[in-house]
Amino acid sequence: GAGVSQTPSNKVTEKGKYVELRCDPISGHTALYWYRQSLGQGPEFLIYFQGTGAADDSGLPNDRFFAVRPEGSVSTLKIQRTERGDSAVYLCASSLTPIGNEQFFGPGTRLTVL
Amino acid sequence: SQQGEEDPQALSIQEGENATMNCSYKTSINNLQWYRQNSGRGLVHLILIRSNEREKHSGRLRVTLDTSKKSSSLLITASRAADTASYFCATDDSGGYNKLIFGAGTRLAVHP
Repeated sequence: GAGVSQTPSNKVTEKGKYVELRCDPISGHTALYWYRQSLGQGPEFLIYFQGTGAADDSGLPNDRFFAVRPEGSVSTLKIQRTERGDSAVYLCASSLTPIGNEQFFGPGTRLTVL
Repeated sequence: SQQGEEDPQALSIQEGENATMNCSYKTSINNLQWYRQNSGRGLVHLILIRSNEREKHSGRLRVTLDTSKKSSSLLITASRAADTASYFCATDDSGGYNKLIFGAGTRLAVHP
């Protein structure tokens, strides 16, 4: 079956612009996670959805970042007023249930803010 | 913040040799997972070891977990050039919903 997909694969934007990053999880996976990975570092947790609700958004760096998952499947990560420091690879992962299961990662979206 | 720390940061070996990577973490866990990443993009899950397990095998991979020392190791036997990648350990948030906390990774280079 299809894995986790993310679009776009690359996004270049200018400082101050708004961007949306999309994640399509594996069908039937109830848990969805967003991570951000800077060069040379491991991924850092941003937000976790169980179904439609954001169960933990403690990793979002500030209120410019927001994510939704309105129907419990596809999720969109939204970044307002982008800054150069937002440049990173944004990774999405899903798991069948949130407890004790492996997470399947998408290929990521590389965001570059000029 | 990152919980896990991998050691070494970089490892260079010849094909056929074994590669050992270590991971240390700070807080109690439910399980620990190892992932591989090629070219800075998607992560591939390798193996999950639960906190009540001490050793696990999968093909050429062997993972150990010592919860008393808060450490884990990943051994890749008979390495191949295709094993060249970054390897990350990730621990879950013991609050129970599998929020992963990654280390900075070990960059493995296997030379033909």
